[in-house]
Amino acid sequence: EADIYQTPRYLVIGTGKKITLECSQTMGHDKMYWYQQDPGMELHLIHYSYGVNSTEKGDLSSESTVSRIRTEHFPLTLESARPSHTSQYLCASSDASHSYNSPLHFGNGTRLTVT
Amino acid sequence: GDSVTQMEGPVTLSEEAFLTINCTYTATGYPSLFWYVQYPGEGLQLLLKATKADDKGSNKGFEATYRKETTSFHLEKGSVQVSDSAVYFCGAYNFGNEKLTFGTGTRLTIIP
Repeated sequence: EADIYQTPRYLVIGTGKKITLECSQTMGHDKMYWYQQDPGMELHLIHYSYGVNSTEKGDLSSESTVSRIRTEHFPLTLESARPSHTSQYLCASSDASHSYNSPLHFGNGTRLTVT
Repeated sequence: GDSVTQMEGPVTLSEEAFLTINCTYTATGYPSLFWYVQYPGEGLQLLLKATKADDKGSNKGFEATYRKETTSFHLEKGSVQVSDSAVYFCGAYNFGNEKLTFGTGTRLTIIP
């Protein structure tokens, strides 16, 4: 049962297009995250947010940008898509007040293919 | 920085076999430890967790014990099923930098 929603599930787009991957959660969580998952399965943190108007770069450098204007919404934007951006993108959220015991809740992901 | 090392896959077992997936961590302080599972085409789901030394997390027949002395959190199941086929990720949450560090994932395939 998903309380965190990602759209679209699959996206095939041409090089140079601007895209936005949507992520919304209904749990009122303060923290939200974007992970990039490569074909080898490894997860890389690319962006995170501690709350409204807070955004930080993750461990893996990414050409994407994020915004956090509302608690429930954390979209990721690529201004000009390239084939190297082909990957699965996973959004997650967590409850900041119970971090030690509150795991990340993940959406089902967006599988992006740039041709 | 923190790191989590998982047993490399892929792992292929027959149904009803015993499963162990090794996980060790390097972190400052005492992290909370987690196992997540990813079924095909889906995001990650929490499988089990342990928040302090000697805690045992368990769910769906899977177990893992937080071993501070060996900095390990190995995942075990006594009798696997075909439906357990998935990718398993070990994770360590660091309170200092408030980040969850994942291992590289282990793909498990169970054959009937």
